[in-house]
Amino acid sequence: TQLLEQSPQFLSIQEGENLTVYCNSSSVFSSLQWYRQEPGEDPVLLVTVVTGGEVKKLKRLTFQFGDARKDSSLHITAAQPGDTGLYLCAGTVGYSTLTFGKGTMLLVSP
Amino acid sequence: DSGVTQTPKHLITATGQRVTLRCSPRSGDLSVYWYQQSLDQGLQFLIQYYNGEERAKGNILERFSAQQFPDLHSELNLSSLELGDSALYFCASSGGQGVNQPQHFGDGTRLSIL
Repeated sequence: TQLLEQSPQFLSIQEGENLTVYCNSSSVFSSLQWYRQEPGEDPVLLVTVVTGGEVKKLKRLTFQFGDARKDSSLHITAAQPGDTGLYLCAGTVGYSTLTFGKGTMLLVSP
Repeated sequence: DSGVTQTPKHLITATGQRVTLRCSPRSGDLSVYWYQQSLDQGLQFLIQYYNGEERAKGNILERFSAQQFPDLHSELNLSSLELGDSALYFCASSGGQGVNQPQHFGDGTRLSIL
């Protein structure tokens, strides 16, 4: 069973602070996706990473896929209240099903 | 707007009952995925259909079943409902059958069992 562990489970910070959340597994993934789910809304895809060591930037968000393709991180610079939400990572092995982590709940206070 | 439509938005019913959740994928998408999201289990993959055929199965209970119709919309049938079935049920769609492709989620159906 693939198990994706996300940490921390909950993070509360002030506006303007930087943060990093992690997604770890003992399995090697062919690709990994990050989603953001706002309260009461559906998950929205942020990025897909497929190459070990790959780094993708989306404005203030930086996503990194580990060299061994077993882990990933999401770094947010100068967090804003609009970044508040549940950040989910999801990985695939070949054409198998997409496995989600339980998410990191981020709360950014003004 | 993801283009994925789920109905109804909210269902309240009693234990032992059955319900049907409906999903219309984005125009042109052939794959439909069903997920269950609860507070303690997170987002759990239930089942995938591709162009009318079952493609992959996850943690779907025997009391649950799904199908995809020729017009590509899908229905998730939940029967003999239990309190623990209360959750948010999401449908997602993608263009192909491989899960490496981005999945676009609907707004979800919130199921409350009384």
